[in-house]
Amino acid sequence: AQSVSQHNHHVILSEAASLELGCNYSYGGTVNLFWYVQYPGQHLQLLLKYFSGDPLVKGIKGFEAEFIKSKFSFNLRKPSVQWSDTAEYFCAGLGWDMRFGAGTRLTVKP
Amino acid sequence: EAGVTQFPSHSVIEKGQTVTLRCDPISGHDNLYWYRRVMGKEIKFLLHFVKESKQDESGMPNNRFLAERTGGTYSTLKVQPAELEDSGVYFCASSQGSGVGNIQYFGAGTRLSVL
Repeated sequence: AQSVSQHNHHVILSEAASLELGCNYSYGGTVNLFWYVQYPGQHLQLLLKYFSGDPLVKGIKGFEAEFIKSKFSFNLRKPSVQWSDTAEYFCAGLGWDMRFGAGTRLTVKP
Repeated sequence: EAGVTQFPSHSVIEKGQTVTLRCDPISGHDNLYWYRRVMGKEIKFLLHFVKESKQDESGMPNNRFLAERTGGTYSTLKVQPAELEDSGVYFCASSQGSGVGNIQYFGAGTRLSVL
């Protein structure tokens, strides 16, 4: 079955810590993958996307993600988080239909 | 350029009442999508319009939900009568094209609470 799964429901970090949020997918065709972020009270914003080409994609606000086809993964990373990164992060994508993971709530302590 | 806007931001109704949610897509976007997130769960697809036509409504939970997009501009999602399990956040998204290679832009969502 087609699915996107996120490993962590809630991650708590201190400022300047490194971040990695896991995302795995199950799909047999050509994938498009996205990371969206929702800051409190705001709309879902696109952080970055992978369509094809370089598997290491860079997004806004210092985020990056790596598409590893052999592992069916698209993990999100940031070397040093800030308090303002506190938000909920969603991995999404696949083929024709958009599937979402359950979301990971990130809390960054000042 | 305005993004996807949704109204209201929050609605509280009693079981059995009717609620209508509205979504205004980004101007020029033919594709409009509705999604729902029940508390703590993943965001799930409800349906997809291309202009005024329903391209895919396979995610609509039951016939208490009715989506329309008259004229191919804004869309409404009506729940009638609302049940407790309809509570959640309803997201709308729009895109220029559809399928692989397109980006969906999301609204802030409408939080529906059915008491």
